[in-house]
Amino acid sequence: AQSVTQLGSHVSVSEGALVLLRCNYSSSVPPYLFWYVQYPNQGLQLLLKYTTGATLVKGINGFEAEFKKSETSFHLTKPSAHMSDAAEYFCAVSDTHGEKLTFGTGTRLTIIP
Amino acid sequence: DGGITQSPKYLFRKEGQNVTLSCEQNLNHDAMYWYRQDPGQGLRLIYYSQIVNDFQKGDIAEGYSVSREKKESFPLTVTSAQKNPTAFYLCASSLQEGSYNEQFFGPGTRLTVL
Repeated sequence: AQSVTQLGSHVSVSEGALVLLRCNYSSSVPPYLFWYVQYPNQGLQLLLKYTTGATLVKGINGFEAEFKKSETSFHLTKPSAHMSDAAEYFCAVSDTHGEKLTFGTGTRLTIIP
Repeated sequence: DGGITQSPKYLFRKEGQNVTLSCEQNLNHDAMYWYRQDPGQGLRLIYYSQIVNDFQKGDIAEGYSVSREKKESFPLTVTSAQKNPTAFYLCASSLQEGSYNEQFFGPGTRLTVL
């Protein structure tokens, strides 16, 4: 069985500061990993995904994530936070091309002006 | 524009009533999914369908039913057997084949039981 743990249900950072959202996964096979963003009362939008190949993945809106197999982690980072980054972020794992995703419980990111 | 539409955006239900949530996609995706979202619990899979006229239960199927008569449509019925239906419901779709079938999400339906 696969699972995802997101450390920190709420994270606050100052505008311009580094954003770091943590995700650890458990999977019995090489995983496919995803980060989604959700703005209030909206659906989820894919930020980035790791499937195979390069372990540093770049996504939209300046976000990136690094797959570290030895640490079973896939943390999301952005060098400089912007007010528009305030949203809820979900990490997800799948072992079958994303057909069935298992989501973490989410991290709500607040940006302090 | 290709995408996923869900209707209605807000839905109110009296106890004991069945309600149906609509999900339509024009992305020509084979697979469709229904998730339930509750605060602090992330998304939980209710049902999914990989092909027309076939669907499988997810992790929390009790009290819900679905149909998949057309590739484009995957309606979800919340029955009176669902004891706590107030939640945000999200529909998603993905390609059955191709590379790394990421899921695309609709805007959601917020269901409130009165």
